[in-house]
Amino acid sequence: DSGVTQTPKHLITATGQRVTLRCSPRSGDLSVYWYQQSLDQGLQFLIQYYNGEERAKGNILERFSAQQFPDLHSELNLSSLELGDSALYFCASSAFSGGAGETQYFGPGTRLLVL
Amino acid sequence: GENVEQHPSTLSVQEGDSAVIKCTYSDSASNYFPWYKQELGKGPQLIIDIRSNVGEKKDQRIAVTLNKTAKHFSLHITETQPEDSAVYFCAASLRGNTGFQKLVFGTGTRLLVSP
Repeated sequence: DSGVTQTPKHLITATGQRVTLRCSPRSGDLSVYWYQQSLDQGLQFLIQYYNGEERAKGNILERFSAQQFPDLHSELNLSSLELGDSALYFCASSAFSGGAGETQYFGPGTRLLVL
Repeated sequence: GENVEQHPSTLSVQEGDSAVIKCTYSDSASNYFPWYKQELGKGPQLIIDIRSNVGEKKDQRIAVTLNKTAKHFSLHITETQPEDSAVYFCAASLRGNTGFQKLVFGTGTRLLVSP
C-alpha cells in the first residue's frame, strides 16, 4: 500500500458527461501528479500540483482540469467526455516539488469507462 | 525530445532464470531513472531507482545499470519467481520549461515467469 488513495475505483458514464476523480496524497506529501494510462498510449503525464499551485503540465486536454485543495487532496475534472477518454487514471504523490528526481508513489487508480 | 523506448514488450522466462529489460532515453539532461512494477488491477509500484551519478544499484534480486554515454539503462532480475510476473515500466526524468521534473515512461514489458 503506497499510502495514496483514489476514489472512485470504477466509473461508468456516457459521452458528453462530466466526472470528478479524487486523490489523497501520502501523509506529508506536497505534490500530486495525474497520469492517464490507456492500452495504446502507456502512462502519460497530465499535470502536477505542488502545495496548491499548478507546477507542470503535460499532455492534458483543454476539456480536463485539476486542482489541489488546502488539505492537499486533488481532484481531476474530465468534461465533455469522449469514448477515447476511457482509461485508467492514476494519481501519484511526492514529498516536495519534484525538482530533484523525487520518488513518486502511485495510487490504485480509477478505471473510467465512457459508453 | 521526450522519448523513452523499452524492450522487449513481452518476456517469458522459467522460474529461476534471469530477466533483463532495457530502456533508452533521448534527453541527455535526464538524471533520475525509476523502475515500476504494475500488477493486474493495481497502480505502479516503485521497485528500484538510480540517479545519474551512479552506474549500478542493487537490491537483493533486482539490479539496475545506467550508461549515461549511451543513454540507456537496464533492469536485471535474478532467480525469477512466479510472483515477479507483472508489467514493468522504466521512466526517465525530464526537466520541463517550469524547471520541475516530469517522468516520461516507457511502454512497458510484460514479464511472465513460469513455474
